[in-house]
Amino acid sequence: GIQVEQSPPDLILQEGANSTLRCNFSDSVNNLQWFHQNPWGQLINLFYIPSGTKQNGRLSATTVATERYSLLYISSSQTTDSGVYFCAVTPRGTSGSRLTFGEGTQLTVNP
Amino acid sequence: GAGVSQSPRYKVAKRGQDVALRCDPISGHVSLFWYQQALGQGPEFLTYFQNEAQLDKSGLPSDRFFAERPEGSVSTLKIQRTQQEDSAVYLCASSLVDRNYGYTFGSGTRLTVV
Repeated sequence: GIQVEQSPPDLILQEGANSTLRCNFSDSVNNLQWFHQNPWGQLINLFYIPSGTKQNGRLSATTVATERYSLLYISSSQTTDSGVYFCAVTPRGTSGSRLTFGEGTQLTVNP
Repeated sequence: GAGVSQSPRYKVAKRGQDVALRCDPISGHVSLFWYQQALGQGPEFLTYFQNEAQLDKSGLPSDRFFAERPEGSVSTLKIQRTQQEDSAVYLCASSLVDRNYGYTFGSGTRLTVV
């Protein structure tokens, strides 16, 4: 099956810093999403981004489908950004709607 | 409701006990998904419903796992004869149409088998 690798596995920042999270995937995809799992376990959909660039406030994401990677940018980080960030994909040509998740990046933002 | 509701929030089961986990999706959401998340890992797909039809159950780890959505709204994930390796958070998600962008996840049920 498709492999999804995220880096770095852990990231510690001071409030106000910027960061870039990376997601590499091993096959062509027709769906790529970024999620944030907060310390209480709630998974929040951040972006649906199988290709191109999107921005939402301090967050933005870019997917280069031909090179099989996606980047999530967090600017001016805040303590509330802490949690685990997951990349999840559906391989192209797959029938149905299952997502394959990466292992996540654990982000800690200190005040 | 305003979000995806899962109950119970926590469940402790003795090994061998049967459990039932409930998911109330957002009203009108056609698609419903169950995922299993072990500690420190990403969620793993279990099964998918479109309305009342179970279109994909390839992620269910054994025949002890069973899911249903008889009226196309509320879904129940049942685990029979629970084992310690079943300990995990079980997440339910729903979406408006048969596309897997725009998922809304519930807060999950944390199952501990002792």
